[in-house]
Amino acid sequence: DVKVTQSSRYLVKRTGEKVFLECVQDMDHENMFWYRQDPGLGLRLIYFSYDVKMKEKGDIPEGYSVSREKKERFSLILESASTNQTSMYLCASTRPGQNYEQYFGPGTRLTVT
Amino acid sequence: GESVGLHLPTLSVQEGDNSIINCAYSNSASDYFIWYKQESGKGPQFIIDIRSNMDKRQGQRVTVLLNKTVKHLSLQIAATQPGDSAVYFCALTNDYKLSFGAGTTVTVRA
Repeated sequence: DVKVTQSSRYLVKRTGEKVFLECVQDMDHENMFWYRQDPGLGLRLIYFSYDVKMKEKGDIPEGYSVSREKKERFSLILESASTNQTSMYLCASTRPGQNYEQYFGPGTRLTVT
Repeated sequence: GESVGLHLPTLSVQEGDNSIINCAYSNSASDYFIWYKQESGKGPQFIIDIRSNMDKRQGQRVTVLLNKTVKHLSLQIAATQPGDSAVYFCALTNDYKLSFGAGTTVTVRA
């Protein structure tokens, strides 16, 4: 059974802290994605990666960075957390050429106070 | 960016009835149109997709209809069950990315 795991289900951080969200997939997928999910806005793409050490900006990359040192792991970094980054963060992975079928992790609900 | 909208944010349906969830889009160049289901506390899960050169595709208890003329996508769920209660997202391919709609929350009444 395919699996995408995220390091935390719930996280509370203070404004200005550096935050790391980790995602690991065990399907040997090349492509990995980070989204944020907010009520009424659906899922919005932050960053994605199609290979180790490769990254591409999504629709809302401001305030975020990513790291992909290994194929199975994709990290989202909030350099200096702000209250408007309070959200649900979802990681996904997929095979090349099959971006329509993405496998999602359970999400991390981040609260920045 | 790509615009994907849903017609109704919520839908309440009687158990055993059929459900229809609708979605409108603006990009005619998308190759795939997809439906995802998100249950409470979980990440979205792929349900079914349809290629742009098709207008209907059926799965297990689900049917997706694509009307490219009016840029409309729908998901029909037959004999809705309590386990169908979830948020449903339509999405479409946009180059190498997916663009998602805002989601429709489906509640199944016993």
